[in-house]
Amino acid sequence: AQSVTQLDSHVSVSEGTPVLLRCNYSSSYSPSLFWYVQHPNKGLQLLLKYTSAATLVKGINGFEAEFKKSETSFHLTKPSAHMSDAAEYFCVVSGWMDSSYKLIFGSGTRLLVRP
Amino acid sequence: NAGVTQTPKFRVLKTGQSMTLLCAQDMNHEYMYWYRQDPGMGLRLIHYSVGEGTTAKGEVPDGYNVSRLKKQNFLLGLESAAPSQTSVYFCASRTKPWGPTSYGYTFGSGTRLTVV
Repeated sequence: AQSVTQLDSHVSVSEGTPVLLRCNYSSSYSPSLFWYVQHPNKGLQLLLKYTSAATLVKGINGFEAEFKKSETSFHLTKPSAHMSDAAEYFCVVSGWMDSSYKLIFGSGTRLLVRP
Repeated sequence: NAGVTQTPKFRVLKTGQSMTLLCAQDMNHEYMYWYRQDPGMGLRLIHYSVGEGTTAKGEVPDGYNVSRLKKQNFLLGLESAAPSQTSVYFCASRTKPWGPTSYGYTFGSGTRLTVV
């Protein structure tokens, strides 16, 4: 079975400082992993994806994530936070359930960016 | 712009009332999904469809019904609304996957439903 755990429900950083949002996953085979972002009252936007190619994945808006199989982690990072990064972020693993391919969402991490 | 359109965007229902949420996609996607989003719980799958005329239960199907009479539309129905169904509902679609490395979900902007 596949599952995903986001280790922090809230993260607060100052503008211009690094961002780290943590995600651990569980999967019985090599997973596909995603990070989605949701701005207030908006839908979900795909930030980046890992699909068994390069372990360091670059996404939009300066975000990147590193797949570490030995640690079963897929943490999201950004070198310098911007006010516009304030949003909720979801780590997602894909997997087969009931003979169909589905997304399994983490509980989300709300990123606050202080001026 | 191509994408997933959800209607309505907001709705307030009284307990026991019924309603239908509409999801429409113009990308010729095979698969469509309905999720609900509740604070601290991420998105949970309600029902999904792998093609026109087919539907299946997801993680939290109780109290909901769905229909996929046309490929581009996926309807979510609440027959007798309950306060526990107060949530934000998201529809998503994707092309038919060819394996675990597939991706390409497109999400709608959500429907905020309050049941009083």
